[in-house]
Amino acid sequence: DTGVSQNPRHKITKRGQNVTFRCDPISEHNRLYWYRQTLGQGPEFLTYFQNEAQLEKSRLLSDRFSAERPKGSFSTLEIQRTEQGDSAMYLCASSLVETALGYTFGSGTRLTVV
Amino acid sequence: GDSVTQMEGPVTLSEEAFLTINCTYTATGYPSLFWYVQYPGEGLQLLLKATKADDKGSNKGFEATYRKETTSFHLEKGSVQVSDSAVYFCALSDRQGAQKLVFGQGTRLTINP
Repeated sequence: DTGVSQNPRHKITKRGQNVTFRCDPISEHNRLYWYRQTLGQGPEFLTYFQNEAQLEKSRLLSDRFSAERPKGSFSTLEIQRTEQGDSAMYLCASSLVETALGYTFGSGTRLTVV
Repeated sequence: GDSVTQMEGPVTLSEEAFLTINCTYTATGYPSLFWYVQYPGEGLQLLLKATKADDKGSNKGFEATYRKETTSFHLEKGSVQVSDSAVYFCALSDRQGAQKLVFGQGTRLTINP
């Protein structure tokens, strides 16, 4: 197992375009989290899944954001009508519910909206 | 809501110096506490953790003790190396439920040879 994989590593898009990011968690992990990290700040929680169910969404996740985890495996995060304020690093992490807080983070997708 | 406050950076030290990065937290319950490290161009890695009061987490020569009375979890290392240069994040999490992490703003550490 190679850990949590995120694609693409970098994405540059024009304002108003839609973008989609993918996260492949560690295969046996049943929890998957999305965080957003802006320059000079710590990551902020966006949403999480347990298996295929999305159990919590942060108020940071506006209507333009949607996340899915079909079949409880990989997850996608889509941002519609991107704005310059969406420019950030988007981090994915996975864990086992049964493990005491054993998150594994991916390397992230850096989004730049121009 | 829960929050974490870290020592302002950046911090620059010489090799073999003693390191302390301060971290205090505010939480309604009894959270677990963590230090994560982010090396240049890499993802976040768990450095150490402590799940209850007076626990000491340790890894790679780094240590931090969960102090409930002062709501602190300061990171220390006796002798830093150039390879320790990175950004360090203090974080807390509920032990139940979503177990989502609340991070501090990070402290950039640079070690000069």
